Amino acid sequence: KAGVTQTPRYLIKTRGQQVTLSCSPISGHRSVSWYQQTPGQGLQFLFEYFSETQRNKGNFPGRFSGRQFSNSRSEMNVSTLELGDSALYLCASSLRGANTGELFFGEGSRLTVL
Amino acid sequence: GENVEQHPSTLSVQEGDSAVIKCTYSDSASNYFPWYKQELGKRPQLIIDIRSNVGEKKDQRIAVTLNKTAKHFSLHITETQPEDSAVYFCAASNQGSSNTGKLIFGQGTTLQVKP
Repeated sequence: KAGVTQTPRYLIKTRGQQVTLSCSPISGHRSVSWYQQTPGQGLQFLFEYFSETQRNKGNFPGRFSGRQFSNSRSEMNVSTLELGDSALYLCASSLRGANTGELFFGEGSRLTVL
Repeated sequence: GENVEQHPSTLSVQEGDSAVIKCTYSDSASNYFPWYKQELGKRPQLIIDIRSNVGEKKDQRIAVTLNKTAKHFSLHITETQPEDSAVYFCAASNQGSSNTGKLIFGQGTTLQVKP
């Protein structure tokens, strides 16, 4: 079956702009988690959605938001971009939740903020 | 809040040697501890996980040990090979709590296996 798909793969924005990233999970998976990956900081948890509800949230400012649709596809939005938002954004899907079993990651969306 | 510390940040070994990566966690309610491997330019993939009802789990050359009292767990790779070179991430979560069970990752360890 198809894996986790993230779009776009690469994007360049300028400070102050906003960006929307999309994640299509594996069919049947109801949980989608988002992580920010930067060198030296590892995988920092942004939020997790399960059946259209935000189940958990990390320690990121309110500029970072997300949502999940009825088909389990998820989007995350970052408003008023800052230089420090440059990172690889990974989403991961799982059958019952990120804290219960294997996460299947997408290839990521690499955001560069100039 | 929950925190996972991972050490070392970089590790270089000769092919055939063993490698050990250690993690400590802060939330005593954590009971699920997966390890992910991320090869250069690729997505992270689960390589092994352990739940708190066991102290050790082994899968071929990879083993994970858990010390709940000390709140630390470790990944052991024996007979390392060049293809083991990657970034390894530990993680911890509370498996029984759907609303508070965040999966928190450590900072990662870059393992280099020299031929």
